[in-house]
Amino acid sequence: DAGVIQSPRHEVTEMGQEVTLRCKPISGHDYLFWYRQTMMRGLELLIYFNNNVPIDDSGMPEDRFSAKMPNASFSTLKIQPSEPRDSAVYFCASSFTHWAGELFFGEGSRLTVL
Amino acid sequence: AQKITQTQPGMFVQEKEAVTLDCTYDTSDQSYGLFWYKQPSSGEMIFLIYQGSYDEQNATEGRYSLNFQKARKSANLVISASQLGDSAMYFCAMREVSETSGSRLTFGEGTQLTVNP
Repeated sequence: DAGVIQSPRHEVTEMGQEVTLRCKPISGHDYLFWYRQTMMRGLELLIYFNNNVPIDDSGMPEDRFSAKMPNASFSTLKIQPSEPRDSAVYFCASSFTHWAGELFFGEGSRLTVL
Repeated sequence: AQKITQTQPGMFVQEKEAVTLDCTYDTSDQSYGLFWYKQPSSGEMIFLIYQGSYDEQNATEGRYSLNFQKARKSANLVISASQLGDSAMYFCAMREVSETSGSRLTFGEGTQLTVNP
């Protein structure tokens, strides 16, 4: 299996622009997670999906952030408009069901907002 | 309250020696999983080892072992025979399943391990 695939790997944009991050989970995994990593806040869970349905989006910072999972093999995280404080590494991860399954992480998307 | 606590921001160890990275957790669930991940400077998250709450034996994976003390709610990672390539950030994480927690994986703040030659 190819693993979790994220794109783009690096994104540099200007404040106010829309940013879309993409993720393809491992085939057959029914959970998909979006995490954000910064030096100040560590690894934060933004949102996760089970069977394409958003289960918990309490970690989404504000209305500028939105995430979708239109099908089992694709998810997007969108930031509109972006701000410099959104600069971080965004990880997508997928797993099989519940507490016994480890998460498989993508390589991350490093976002820089100028 | 912090779900996962890693009290060692940084640790140093000599090559070929063993090192223990501490992790304590907080949960009221009966069923949960504990995980350790390694993040080298290149940034990827690498799964190392897993311990289920019902597992009576401590998990081992090669040079990694998890010292699971359920009553104390601790899940320390032991790395034996340290290698220079072990230098990285190490994260302890817990996965619960409950009405309030859902099925999230919560991470600690990490411990930066440096292996000296």
